[in-house]
Amino acid sequence: DVKVTQSSRYLVKRTGEKVFLECVQDMDHENMFWYRQDPGLGLRLIYFSYDVKMKEKGDIPEGYSVSREKKERFSLILESASTNQTSMYLCASSQGTGRTEAYEQYFGPGTRLTVT
Amino acid sequence: GEDVEQSLFLSVREGDSSVINCTYTDSSSTYLYWYKQEPGAGLQLLTYIFSNMDMKQDQRLTVLLNKKDKHLSLRIADTQTGDSAIYFCAERGASKIIFGSGTRLSIRP
Repeated sequence: DVKVTQSSRYLVKRTGEKVFLECVQDMDHENMFWYRQDPGLGLRLIYFSYDVKMKEKGDIPEGYSVSREKKERFSLILESASTNQTSMYLCASSQGTGRTEAYEQYFGPGTRLTVT
Repeated sequence: GEDVEQSLFLSVREGDSSVINCTYTDSSSTYLYWYKQEPGAGLQLLTYIFSNMDMKQDQRLTVLLNKKDKHLSLRIADTQTGDSAIYFCAERGASKIIFGSGTRLSIRP
């Protein structure tokens, strides 16, 4: 079974803090994704990565950055957290080669981030 | 642009069938998916259908695809309390997967 783990289930941070969300997958998947999930808005793609050190902006990259130094690990960084970044953050991975995110995705349990 | 739409809420009585509907816009979609999200958890792939199929059945789940109308549905027979969750429809286009906003299914006793 594919396993995608996220470093924290719940996180509370203050406005202006730098926040790191970590995601690890154990299936040697090429593609990894970060989404945020908000009520009524569904999943919105923040960034994805199709290879080590490669990244692509999703639909809402503003205020976020990512890092992929190893194939199994994909980090989401909030350089200066703001209250409008309070949300559920979901990491996912999928097979695939090249710059495509089109294969079925396997999700981690999510990190609920609150910024006060 | 590409879009996937679902109603936000559905309430059914325990033991009845649930039908969750979805419409999509990308006619080049190759696969369509249903994901389930239980409270406090990530999304879990429930089932999928290839775009050249009309129907797929898997135990209590039936997926119907009307490609002409770009309409996808998920039928859950004999709905149980454990089926309470948010159900996401998603389509695989040429280069990306687009998710709907999710339908929250609640079960009445």
